[in-house]
Amino acid sequence: GQQVMQIPQYQHVQEGEDFTTYCNSSTTLSNIQWYKQRPGGHPVFLIQLVKSGEVKKQKRLTFQFGEAKKNSSLHITATQTTDVGTYFCAGERTDSWGKLQFGAGTQVVVTP
Amino acid sequence: KAGVTQTPRYLIKTRGQQVTLSCSPISGHRSVSWYQQTPGQGLQFLFEYFSETQRNKGNFPGRFSGRQFSNSRSEMNVSTLELGDSALYLCASSPQGQSSYEQYFGPGTRLTVT
Repeated sequence: GQQVMQIPQYQHVQEGEDFTTYCNSSTTLSNIQWYKQRPGGHPVFLIQLVKSGEVKKQKRLTFQFGEAKKNSSLHITATQTTDVGTYFCAGERTDSWGKLQFGAGTQVVVTP
Repeated sequence: KAGVTQTPRYLIKTRGQQVTLSCSPISGHRSVSWYQQTPGQGLQFLFEYFSETQRNKGNFPGRFSGRQFSNSRSEMNVSTLELGDSALYLCASSPQGQSSYEQYFGPGTRLTVT
């Protein structure tokens, strides 16, 4: 089963609204990566977070790594139809060095 | 730079057969990881190869195997195919390792087992 949990599994968003997807691990993560997969496409790297409490922004996307390095979030403001896709987090657990554990993903549907 | 390429893109096999999938990483990348993606299980890690050595392995049966060549190209093999092996198989390359660097995914091979 998934050792890196991601919620929600599905997210229906009205265009212009904000939403957040969350990633949680029972053990400490040394780093976390986020990927986006468009329908019919392959995952594309968005960002990597390494430091406790780190916050990074990419235009309308804000990524955060928790203080305890056990959770992360992706917040998208003013959602656009181009944001459609599945967002995956992937973390390297400190008890499983070198191995990325992917979350199940949050599938985002945007209605105009 | 050319991206990650995977061949074939689509494959239909019968239960009990075996299959070999190929992945060519981005030039200069030494790490190649393989993933199985299904609607129910998401992205499941199969294995990672680095400089021709398997560095990490996921929780898949021994029917799933792989190798990496000196030019970093990688193949994965699935023997005695089962219906449940139907999935999108993705490979990803990175300069040094899957967990420390961003991974570049290929378009995947869609395997259907009948």
